[in-house]
Amino acid sequence: QVQLKETGPGLVQPTQTLSITCTVSGFSLTSYYMQWVRQTPGKGLEWMGFIRSGGSTEYNSEFKSRLSISRDTSKNQVFLKMNSLKTEDTGVYYCARGGYYGYNYFDYWGQGVMVTVSS
Amino acid sequence: AIVLNQSPSSIIASQGEKVTITCRASSSISSNYLHWYQQKPGAFPKLVIYSTSYRASGVPSRFSGSGSGTSYSFTISRVEAEDVATYYCQQGSSNPYTFGAGTKLELK
Repeated sequence: QVQLKETGPGLVQPTQTLSITCTVSGFSLTSYYMQWVRQTPGKGLEWMGFIRSGGSTEYNSEFKSRLSISRDTSKNQVFLKMNSLKTEDTGVYYCARGGYYGYNYFDYWGQGVMVTVSS
Repeated sequence: AIVLNQSPSSIIASQGEKVTITCRASSSISSNYLHWYQQKPGAFPKLVIYSTSYRASGVPSRFSGSGSGTSYSFTISRVEAEDVATYYCQQGSSNPYTFGAGTKLELK
C-alpha cells in the first residue's frame, strides 16, 4: 500500500538549514508529483512546492529563494532543504503525493515531522 | 495569491445533524481544482473530496461537495462522532496553492 514517511532533525537553530527526507513505498516517484506542505501556528497549512514525476520543480514564491526540493528515485526518497531558518518556520512539515488526476490535490500524506526553530 | 475564506470557523453539531461548510475564493477557480481535507487532532490532513464533488477512496457517502466559480460547499449529511475534526478547503488552480483557515467541527 501507499506509504510516506518523513524524517528530520526536530530542532534547528535560527539561520541554519533544514533538511527533511520523505521515503515512499507502494508507488513510483516517476509516476506522481511529490508535494511539500507545512503547518505552522502563524499561517496554518501552506503549500511549499513540488517535484514533478519528470524531476522538474515548482515552488511557492514565499519560499523560493531558500527552498530546494530534489529526489533520488533509486531510493524512493524526496528531499526538502530550506535555508536561513527563522523561528516562524517552526511547525509540522509534511510530504504528500499529488493526486492521480492532476488538479494539484494531495491524496496521500506522511505523518509529518515536527520542526522547532530555536537557539 | 487566491485567498480562500471558509465559514463558519467552528461548528457545534449533534450526531445525526446535517452540517455545511462554505469556501469562498477571492478569484474564480475551475471546479476541478477545489478540494477538501479532514484533519483529526494530532493527525495529518486526509483527502476527503477532490475536484469539488468526488469522494476520495474509502470516504463515506455522507460526505459531499458542490460549487463552482468562487463559491463552494462541503456537507456532512448526518454527522457521526468520528467526524470530529477540522476541515480545510484547498485550491490547486494557481501557484501558490492555498488552503482555507479551517472549520472546526465539534459534537454537542
